[in-house]
Amino acid sequence: EAGVAQSPRYKIIEKRQSVAFWCNPISGHATLYWYQQILGQGPKLLIQFQNNGVVDDSQLPKDRFSAERLKGVDSTLKIQPAKLEDSAVYLCASSLVRSGTSGGQQYFGPGTRLTVL
Amino acid sequence: DAKTTQPNSMESNEEEPVHLPCNHSTISGTDYIHWYRQLPSQGPEYVIHGLTSNVNNRMASLAIAEDRKSSTLILHRATLRDAAVYYCIPRRMDSNYQLIWGAGTKLIIKP
Repeated sequence: EAGVAQSPRYKIIEKRQSVAFWCNPISGHATLYWYQQILGQGPKLLIQFQNNGVVDDSQLPKDRFSAERLKGVDSTLKIQPAKLEDSAVYLCASSLVRSGTSGGQQYFGPGTRLTVL
Repeated sequence: DAKTTQPNSMESNEEEPVHLPCNHSTISGTDYIHWYRQLPSQGPEYVIHGLTSNVNNRMASLAIAEDRKSSTLILHRATLRDAAVYYCIPRRMDSNYQLIWGAGTKLIIKP
């Protein structure tokens, strides 16, 4: 079974530039998450999709960050304009449709390491 | 939100058992306890989860205190490949089933 794919793996940009990250979840996974992980910290949830609808984007800095999941499969996360403090690893994860079960295991991609100069 | 407390780091010798503690005294009665780990330069991966009973799988065992205020992840025979950051995470069942991530425990395995 193919895992969660992300691209690019690395990106270096200057502040005030824009950048986009792409994620392809595991086939059949309805829930998709974008996380931001700053060095030395645990992942911080930015946005959660259920199919192509947003479930939670309360921690997404909406003045500069945007995300979409067209057709309920692939997703893109965009930053425009980037700031120095956006330097982090951006992780995409997916899981099966959430239910009353105890599982809902999240599967993570390798992440995109963003450096803003 | 339930908060967790984990040691910043732990060291263990290769091929010895490792016990990784986690305190989650404010956990609610319906929150499952999940453990994930993150190897260097990789995304996190699921290890194990449980509610009240001890759980075993091919990767590890999870021992949950009777009062559910703490749990311990047990690696029965650590290898160098187990060196990672281990996260103990309450899984909220009442709010989109989100995971609440702390800073985790960095496990160092000595050969």
